[in-house]
Amino acid sequence: NAGVMQNPRHLVRRRGQEARLRCSPMKGHSHVYWYRQLPEEGLKFMVYLQKENIIDESGMPKERFSAEFPKEGPSILRIQQVVRGDSAAYFCASSPGAGEWNEQFFGPGTRLTVL
Amino acid sequence: DAKTTQPNSMESNEEEPVHLPCNHSTISGTDYIHWYRQLPSQGPEYVIHGLTSNVNNRMASLAIAEDRKSSTLILHRATLRDAAVYYCILKNNNAGNMLTFGGGTRLMVKP
Repeated sequence: NAGVMQNPRHLVRRRGQEARLRCSPMKGHSHVYWYRQLPEEGLKFMVYLQKENIIDESGMPKERFSAEFPKEGPSILRIQQVVRGDSAAYFCASSPGAGEWNEQFFGPGTRLTVL
Repeated sequence: DAKTTQPNSMESNEEEPVHLPCNHSTISGTDYIHWYRQLPSQGPEYVIHGLTSNVNNRMASLAIAEDRKSSTLILHRATLRDAAVYYCILKNNNAGNMLTFGGGTRLMVKP
């Protein structure tokens, strides 16, 4: 049973380019979460999606960032016009349900470097 | 939001038990106590969770104080592979379904 998959594992972009990060949740999981970990900082929640719907985007920066989780295919975190401050590790997690007792299963992360 | 307080770092010897404390004095009755850990250069990994009673699983034990204002994660025999940052997190869907990570405790295991 494959875990949460993220690709690419490493992504290098120049300032102003777009970054697209992909996340395939565990089989049977319809809840997806994105977190960001800036260098030497803790993990911060960004957005919570459930198939085709954004449930909570309270942690998303207001501009340049968007997320989707289409009916078919992986969840995508998209960062437009990247800046150096976007360099971070981006982790995706999934869970089978939304209960407080549900654990979240994390992927290995995508490490974004903006030159 | 109910917050947690953990020591910044702890040290343990290999093969010995480790007790990682967490204070959450403002916990509400519906908050679940979750523990995750993050090994170097990896994504976080679920360890254990509980509500009121002590819990055991193959990775660890969770001891919850009777008043629920503190809890302790117990690793029965630390190995070098247990060196990680351990996060104690309160989860309550009234405050959203996300995990709110604090600074955690960096556990160092000496051979």
